[in-house]
Amino acid sequence: EVQLVESGGGLVQPGGSLRLSCAASGFTFSSYDMHWVRQATGKGLEWVSAIGTAGDPYYPGSVKGRFTISRENAKNSLYLQMNSLRAGDTAVYYCAREYCSSTSCYLDYWGQGTLVTVSS
Amino acid sequence: QSALTQPRSVSGSPGQSVTISCTGTSSDVGGYNYVSWYQQHPGKAPKLMIYDVSKRPSGVPDRFSGSKSGNTASLTISGLQAEDEADYYCCSYAGSYVFGTGTKVTVL
Repeated sequence: EVQLVESGGGLVQPGGSLRLSCAASGFTFSSYDMHWVRQATGKGLEWVSAIGTAGDPYYPGSVKGRFTISRENAKNSLYLQMNSLRAGDTAVYYCAREYCSSTSCYLDYWGQGTLVTVSS
Repeated sequence: QSALTQPRSVSGSPGQSVTISCTGTSSDVGGYNYVSWYQQHPGKAPKLMIYDVSKRPSGVPDRFSGSKSGNTASLTISGLQAEDEADYYCCSYAGSYVFGTGTKVTVL
């Protein structure tokens, strides 16, 4: 059974840093691209970052330069280092596995999320 | 990329059908058959309901169906049931993922 378990969320002051983790199990972690998606309270889903199997990272403009995604295949773990945090980064952060082939791409499994609150 | 446009809410009585639209552009929804739909109950993680516009993962009831015409994708729930009351998000892959604004489905 595929499982993704996020941790590391909490309350942080504006300008501060936080590192999220996602522990994966039930599949060959090293064979899949992984993503972070966030959701502010009462709002929609927003793609935050992705990392390929070779460790190549991708970010939208809203977090580029502030967030760093990484993975440790030996530990079946995904990370998100968040720096220079702003109130607008307050959200539940989900990690998600991507299934992608030559004809198909989608996020098939999601964790339960971890809440990040940026406030003074 | 801008969020895909969905209606804020739709509603229907048990047994009825409801359809949720998802409008994007030729750069996302209209350009690729990589449209997926997610169901989210309050306080829960999103759950994949449809992928590749119209395919259902194992375990998803066949009352959920998807389609696409031009830059607009649609999710139809036939034979609405109480447990279908949730938020639904469309998603398009175009190098990165862009999500819809979300639709609340209410079962009357």
